[in-house]
Amino acid sequence: GAVVSQHPSRVICKSGTSVKIECRSLDFQATTMFWYRQFPKQSLMLMATSNEGSKATYEQGVEKDKFLINHASLTLSTLTVTSAHPEDSSFYICSAWTATTNEKLFFGSGTQLSVL
Amino acid sequence: DAKTTQPTSMDCAEGRAANLPCNHSTISGNEYVYWYRQIHSQGPQYIIHGLKNNETNEMASLIITEDRKSSTLILPHATLRDTAVYYCIVIYNTDKLIFGTGTRLQVFP
Repeated sequence: GAVVSQHPSRVICKSGTSVKIECRSLDFQATTMFWYRQFPKQSLMLMATSNEGSKATYEQGVEKDKFLINHASLTLSTLTVTSAHPEDSSFYICSAWTATTNEKLFFGSGTQLSVL
Repeated sequence: DAKTTQPTSMDCAEGRAANLPCNHSTISGNEYVYWYRQIHSQGPQYIIHGLKNNETNEMASLIITEDRKSSTLILPHATLRDTAVYYCIVIYNTDKLIFGTGTRLQVFP
């Protein structure tokens, strides 16, 4: 099946630094990508929806200046957590949507961010 | 808000069938029902999806009621490795994909 590659899988950073997470669709073109965050023992919370070549649509309560999303190509979307703080520590997951395969929605393996 | 509701948790004996229900009473005619599962600290894994007919693959079966307001995911012979959180979501194209709380399935020996 189609593969979504998400990197890094784990990152530890100091408070105040920025962290970039990459999400790549390896063998298909993703017209839309979704970014989620997940706290322990909770469900996935949608942060934003990004379409290739246009600005991301952020969910209510998600700061667009803090969580910068770039979807510059049909195979790559990035999430940058700017000036990270300990409360940004979470599990971040991307997913990619394509109309070209039967399954249509594929998930990355997630990134565990720990801000010290 | 999520368009699906699921029981918070369920238990199942190893080797028995696990039947996970999902309510999606506000589903519209062109929305598919998708099932994913998530094992701790991993991305969700696709299981199965359907529109209105029952579906079966190597992992599971999906039974959708005639009015499409609910569905059941069936794992025919649950194993310990099936212990996970199972999410049912409804999707049409690139609508917002909101996850509900999911069902935490515990398979015991």
